[in-house]
Formats: sequence, C-alpha cells, structure tokens
Amino acid sequence: GAGVSQSPSNKVTEKGKDVELRCDPISGHTALYWYRQRLGQGLEFLIYFQGNSAPDKSGLPSDRFSAERTGESVSTLTIQRTQQEDSAVYLCASGWRQALFFNSPLHFGNGTRLTVT
Amino acid sequence: QKEVEQNSGPLSVPEGAIASLNCTYSDRGSQSFFWYRQYSGKSPELIMSIYSNGDKEDGRFTAQLNKASQYVSLLIRDSQPSDSATYLCAVNAPNSGYALNFGKGTSLLVTP
Repeated sequence: GAGVSQSPSNKVTEKGKDVELRCDPISGHTALYWYRQRLGQGLEFLIYFQGNSAPDKSGLPSDRFSAERTGESVSTLTIQRTQQEDSAVYLCASGWRQALFFNSPLHFGNGTRLTVT
Repeated sequence: QKEVEQNSGPLSVPEGAIASLNCTYSDRGSQSFFWYRQYSGKSPELIMSIYSNGDKEDGRFTAQLNKASQYVSLLIRDSQPSDSATYLCAVNAPNSGYALNFGKGTSLLVTP
C-alpha cells in the first residue's frame, strides 16, 4: 500500500478485556515500531521489529502487552486484561532497514485510538 | 536526565516571522536526528532528517545539528498559520538499541 495502515482506527473496550491492534507497514520496509501516545503526551516507544531478528521489547510497559510480526509483513499488538491507563493512541511506524548508528526515517500510520471504559 | 528534551511551549510567532525550535539529547553516540510535525488528532509526519553537523535546508525549513553541544534545531522561515502544530524532535540512541526516542514536542502557534 501507499502508507502504513492501522486497524481499527478506534476501539472502545471494557476493562479486563483483551484487544488486538493491527499494523500493515509500507511494502519493503523491514523495520516496524509501535509507540503509545497518551493524551497530551509524547511518543512512548513500545517495541521494535527488524526483519527476522529478535524484537526489541524493552519498551513494553508490562507483561500484559505483547506483539508479533511475521517476517516483514503485518504486526499485531495485543493488550491483555486492559486497564483504564491503557487508553491512548497506539501508533505504528515503518522504515527501511535500521543500522545501529543510522536510523532511516519512520513513516507513521494514523493510529488506533483505544478507550478502556 | 530525559533522553530528548524540548521546550513544550507554546511558542507564538507572527505570520511571516522565523520560528526557532530547539532540542537537546543525552546520548553522545546519537547519529540520526529527525523533525516531525503533528497536527492535533493526527499522526506525526516527517519534515526533515539530518545526520551531519551543520545546516540542512529544505524549502522554508532548515535543520541545524551540533553534535558537540548535543543540540538540534529547526528553523521555519516565513511562518504560516498552517504551520501551527506540535513539532517533535526524534533522536536515535545507539547505546540503548534501535529505538528512536521522541521529545514531548513544542507547540507552535503562528498568528495571522
């Protein structure tokens, strides 16, 4: 596709339920990031995938959060037993292959706005 | 110490003026620097990337990088009301992995 696609665009869920968010990166982009942005706050790094390498999960806030990506395609972010503090916009971004000292620019999807009631 | 710091603003400039946005970072090994613009309720969009010391110009935008001072800035010439947005500075942190760290952003308001 032309850009990073995320679904759903909005999700309202009850506290305690599990949710799954999806991201389709730009074709050919090997790097994929998930960020969280709470209302009025900055972007909080969650997880990073690059190709078939082990993901960098250092930003995941708790073991309720997990993410998967198969190869260089779609990624899903799963939040189990959602809490009200999980309410935020979840942004996915993709980019060309990253090197440790050289990051290529990231391109963001429109995000999924998650509301936990 | 926060990894990427920006003044939250708001920074208010009159239409036609130069807006100057600043960012400092803590990882001396950082080599990749980006400026993103984020309109309210929208996702960040890339404005510029800069990797070498000095200035990089693209239209009305100029990014300036000083690695010795760990400082990167964005100048917007001939500011327009449509430039009113939050500007995010993003910096890589190779000593911590591949994550791209974002500042909290500076809110810019261009008044007609």
